[in-house]
Formats: sequence, C-alpha cells, structure tokens
Amino acid sequence: DQQVKQNSPSLSVQEGRISILNCDYTNSMFDYFLWYKKYPAEGPTFLISISSIKDKNEDGRFTVFLNKSAKHLSLHIVPSQPGDSAVYFCAAITSGTYKYIFGTGTRLKVLA
Amino acid sequence: GAGVSQSPSNKVTEKGKDVELRCDPISGHTALYWYRQSLGQGLEFLIYFQGNSAPDKSGLPSDRFSAERTGGSVSTLTIQRTQQEDSAVYLCASSLGTGGYTFGSGTRLTVV
Repeated sequence: DQQVKQNSPSLSVQEGRISILNCDYTNSMFDYFLWYKKYPAEGPTFLISISSIKDKNEDGRFTVFLNKSAKHLSLHIVPSQPGDSAVYFCAAITSGTYKYIFGTGTRLKVLA
Repeated sequence: GAGVSQSPSNKVTEKGKDVELRCDPISGHTALYWYRQSLGQGLEFLIYFQGNSAPDKSGLPSDRFSAERTGGSVSTLTIQRTQQEDSAVYLCASSLGTGGYTFGSGTRLTVV
C-alpha cells in the first residue's frame, strides 16, 4: 500500500524551462510534506517543505504547491538548470509522529 | 560530526554471508532512522531509534535484519544470511526529535 506516490519515474526538461514534479498521497492525516533531492552516490538532501495550513511555499527557484482536497502536491523549479538533474523524492508525515513516508522518486534531467 | 557518516560506502558480499552496516549520526541528534532504497523503489523505512525509547522495528523485512544503537549514538544494521533481494542502498538519517532528516550517503550493498 503506497501512501505516497510519484507516478512519473522520469522527466526531461530543457534548461531555462519549468520543471513540474508531482506527488499524490492517500492518507488524509498527513499534514507536513517535504521534497528531497538526491544526487548519485549521495544521500537525499532537504529541499523545501510545506505545512498543510498553507497551499504554497516558495524558496528561490523552488515552489511547492499543496492541494489538500486532491491530496496532491507539486514541486515547480523555474528556471531549470542542469545542476538540478537529480532524483526528487516527496515525503509526508503526520504531526506528532516520527516516520516520514517517501514516494518512489522522479528522476529529473535538465538538458543544456 | 558535521554530517551523518555511513560505512562502508560499498559492500559486495556473497549470498548467505552476514554483513554489518554502520551509521554515525550528527552529534546531539536523538533520532536515528534506517531506510533502504531498492532498484526502482522509494525509500523504505526499516527502523527508528529515539533516545532511550524502545526502537520501532516495524519496517524490518525479516528476522534476518536487526539493528542496535549503542550509547545513543552509533548504530549498526546487521543482515544475516544475506539474500540477493537484500541488494539495495541502505540509508541512515538522524534528526533532532521529529524534525526533518539529515541523511548519510548510504551503503550500497550488492549480494552476489
């Protein structure tokens, strides 16, 4: 039972364009969400988060949108850069608990 | 230390052998997690340690897997009688309480 789903295993985007990575979840108790970025042979690193009391959080080129009614979040990267090429994981948690549930990841390739 | 340190970074072992994977968390982080990423899969929760509390072992896939955390710091994940399906990247993470994780670079385990 995959509670957090990333249905696109890979995505290719031209440099300078927008990258949109999607994530769906099934557990309505989740109220905090994160995106992690992972380069090969490195551990995932935190990128951006959003609480369920918000529907948008922005940090530089990265924006996360949350649609609670659809149980959907997305990560927008604009403009995309070749250094953004990595695997992106979304993760969700219920406040007061300790275990993040991760999606299967989306491999983003930004073409120069 | 400055980050989460895992060793070895790579391990190739023969089927049926035992392996030990080590994680040195960030100093002062009370929570320690083990996850694994199998080919084409997301990050799968294995076990969670928090301070002196009993660990949450609910994610361990079989009784061949065990983990301990000595002195509230270093953790060792042991896999006995390894099988080919154990091949994965094993990731350790630590955090302050229930905050976001800091991951190590992982141990890539290959069972041949």
